[in-house]
Amino acid sequence: AAGVIQSPRHLIKEKRETATLKCYPIPRHDTVYWYQQGPGQDPQFLISFYEKMQSDKGSIPDRFSAQQFSDYHSELNMSSLELGDSALYFCASSSGGEGARLYNEQFFGPGTRLTVL
Amino acid sequence: AQKVTQAQTEISVVEKEDVTLDCVYETRDTTYYLFWYKQPPSGELVFLIRRNSFDEQNEISGRYSWNFQKSTSSFNFTITASQVVDSAVYFCALSESGYALNFGKGTSLLVTP
Repeated sequence: AAGVIQSPRHLIKEKRETATLKCYPIPRHDTVYWYQQGPGQDPQFLISFYEKMQSDKGSIPDRFSAQQFSDYHSELNMSSLELGDSALYFCASSSGGEGARLYNEQFFGPGTRLTVL
Repeated sequence: AQKVTQAQTEISVVEKEDVTLDCVYETRDTTYYLFWYKQPPSGELVFLIRRNSFDEQNEISGRYSWNFQKSTSSFNFTITASQVVDSAVYFCALSESGYALNFGKGTSLLVTP
């Protein structure tokens, strides 16, 4: 079965550079979630999209932005990178809609490991 | 405030021992979901179980079992006859009204031969 695809899997950037992470949800999934997991930490929710509209917002820094495109893939854009942005970034997808929210099965991608030097 | 508390930061057991990972959650919602995920050293999050707030039935899947008790707001996870391959970080998570997951801090389990 198709899973959530994230690219790239590894990314190394310098401080103050920008980075773009991509997420391709499972086919027919219309909701995407982004999570950030720092070293030795638990995953923290950043932001989510349902049907290309932002649906929920967590602890996403102002330097980060995200969007969901017409084909439902999502991109997380990170600017002015800081050392503290080094983390594993997970994308998860689910089949959305109010009824589906009650069901809420989120499927996680393998993550993108971002290292900021 | 932390909505999910995993009091055990690290647990070390010898292979074939049983081990229970504790999870206590906090919510005012009547509809919510509880999850357990396994994160091996390779980093991916492996889904283990989802339980909704209306289903307090305990579940067993092979060597894994889960005990959900609303009265104590707990959702504990037991591994029977642990194996070295069970070594990982285990996260308990809460989703309120179907929104984003709130993870606990995780319990690092080390199973030695």
